[in-house]
Amino acid sequence: GDSVTQMEGPVTLSEEAFLTINCTYTATGYPSLFWYVQYPGEGLQLLLKATKADDKGSNKGFEATYRKETTSFHLEKGSVQVSDSAVYFCALSGLTGGGNKLTFGTGTQLKVEL
Amino acid sequence: DTAVSQTPKYLVTQMGNDKSIKCEQNLGHDTMYWYKQDSKKFLKIMFSYNNKELIINETVPNRFSPKSPDKAHLNLHINSLELGDSAVYFCASSQEGGDNSNQPQHFGDGTRLSIL
Repeated sequence: GDSVTQMEGPVTLSEEAFLTINCTYTATGYPSLFWYVQYPGEGLQLLLKATKADDKGSNKGFEATYRKETTSFHLEKGSVQVSDSAVYFCALSGLTGGGNKLTFGTGTQLKVEL
Repeated sequence: DTAVSQTPKYLVTQMGNDKSIKCEQNLGHDTMYWYKQDSKKFLKIMFSYNNKELIINETVPNRFSPKSPDKAHLNLHINSLELGDSAVYFCASSQEGGDNSNQPQHFGDGTRLSIL
């Protein structure tokens, strides 16, 4: 079945550091790929998405490129802020008997310090 | 305006009780979902409904019974609550069908269920 593997956290960075959170996936067909962010005590918010190979999703300074050859969708940001501290989830969307199911990675907690 | 709203936000109850969590979306989406997030933050789909019809049921115990009175609502009823049911439950919605399979899901803020 479909699966998503992302790097374990927590990841602790200083403000303005470069961020990479690795994500790889296994899926049949051609899934869409997503990054969701969960701030403390809140629900998940869509951060960015990519629907086909070589697509680059971007939002709020975060970027991720859909790499079919390496089955990866790594999240990057050039300069993190304290306000980026949250849990980040990589996910893929696959059709299942007419339904669209999100399969999530285990989440990576990011802590950004001054 | 809240797009996907769940009530209650917190639910603390005794083992063996029956409880319900309500979810409503005002986005006009035709598909709704329930996810369970465990203490390690792992998220797993439980159910999916499209236009009030059950589409996905991911080997969830039959103590859990979703009910969709209309496409804007998907409630979750849980019978005979067990300690292992303690988790955060998230409702989500999306617009599916046709070529819309790539549409992202919109999540509620979650219901934190604690079983004593």
